[in-house]
Amino acid sequence: DTAVSQTPKYLVTQMGNDKSIKCEQNLGHDTMYWYKQDSKKFLKIMFSYNNKELIINETVPNRFSPKSPDKAHLNLHINSLELGDSAVYFCASSRGLFDWPETDTQYFGPGTRLTVL
Amino acid sequence: AQRVTQPEKLLSVFKGAPVELKCNYSYSGSPELFWYVQYSRQRLQLLLRHISRESIKGFTADLNKGETSFHLKKPFAQEEDSAMYYCALSGDNTDKLIFGTGTRLQVFP
Repeated sequence: DTAVSQTPKYLVTQMGNDKSIKCEQNLGHDTMYWYKQDSKKFLKIMFSYNNKELIINETVPNRFSPKSPDKAHLNLHINSLELGDSAVYFCASSRGLFDWPETDTQYFGPGTRLTVL
Repeated sequence: AQRVTQPEKLLSVFKGAPVELKCNYSYSGSPELFWYVQYSRQRLQLLLRHISRESIKGFTADLNKGETSFHLKKPFAQEEDSAMYYCALSGDNTDKLIFGTGTRLQVFP
């Protein structure tokens, strides 16, 4: 009964390839996120979706395209992979923004380690 | 600019020693502060948040607006506390979290 799951856990691929990482949450949350953790363990938000609608889109190359077929899924597709894309990618979900200034806890997936050769 | 600073990359202590993981933030409004923890080979998970004013696994953190700090403390460290700890901030009427660079806590037996 994993709350937030990601597949695959590990992804090794060649430069220039296109790959996807899938994320699913069974918590009934409305908001989902993608974070990138670089080699220095620094986490940075990439995207946020609320009810299948893009809410946050940080400065991320166009090669990265999130897709949300329904509010329980947020997949990350990456075109023309580059060496610098190697990182751990975390998916997360939450009930989203409510009762400002409070924010809801984000539940993280286990991460997908992407290695681009 | 919004920023979270964790000055220590690595903090090593012996079991039973007190622990303080430092976190300072930069934010013009009223942020919400969190501590997240990532144990080895496990997912990132929320440890505590300042609005809850709770103690989790013996850890506490007090928001000091004057010093813009949210340091994480535990009086007696345990080996199982060894993990990566991230301080995070949320503000600006958004649920976007801004993370610090993390502090690795090593507790030796």
